[in-house]
Amino acid sequence: DGGITQSPKYLFRKEGQNVTLSCEQNLNHDAMYWYRQDPGQGLRLIYYSQIVNDFQKGDIAEGYSVSREKKESFPLTVTSAQKNPTAFYLCASSKGPGASYEQYFGPGTRLTVT
Amino acid sequence: GIQVEQSPPDLILQEGANSTLRCNFSDSVNNLQWFHQNPWGQLINLFYIPSGTKQNGRLSATTVATERYSLLYISSSQTTDSGVYFCAVEPGGNNRLAFGKGNQVVVIP
Repeated sequence: DGGITQSPKYLFRKEGQNVTLSCEQNLNHDAMYWYRQDPGQGLRLIYYSQIVNDFQKGDIAEGYSVSREKKESFPLTVTSAQKNPTAFYLCASSKGPGASYEQYFGPGTRLTVT
Repeated sequence: GIQVEQSPPDLILQEGANSTLRCNFSDSVNNLQWFHQNPWGQLINLFYIPSGTKQNGRLSATTVATERYSLLYISSSQTTDSGVYFCAVEPGGNNRLAFGKGNQVVVIP
């Protein structure tokens, strides 16, 4: 089945540790995105990538890093510099770039940092 | 940046009732999507509708791009329609979506 997978579903970390969230897609999409959702809020864009080996900061990139070495993979690292890392993280992909395409979302990872 | 406002923020419906959710946006857009977020957090694509009207079963959506709003209609609501409905717009042709805060819908039997 074509789709977007995120792992793990739940993740617990101690403050001060870096943690990497996985996102994989087999839709052959060029563009991939990371969003953060806090309780009762909409989604906010962290980073996005329109092609392999290229990515841009979104609206709340501070404390996060990404890589895009393969078309199907876009891992997100939450670093110890992120002040409030506990949140629900969603990965998305779209056909992109160069025009407006529908975005599709993975099931998300709930990160809790104590 | 572009502002996206959704109303009403919260809605309680009796099963079988109809409802309309509204999304206003502050600038012209290339892309507008409606999503339903289920209780497990999964975002389900409902409509890709930068303009015009679309229908899918009991749901339909209309976007009037010139007046900068979109409407999502839910007819004959069911308990499975409960969840949060998000409107998201892309203003600049760069595939960056800006989300509203959502409409929390609860359908009671």
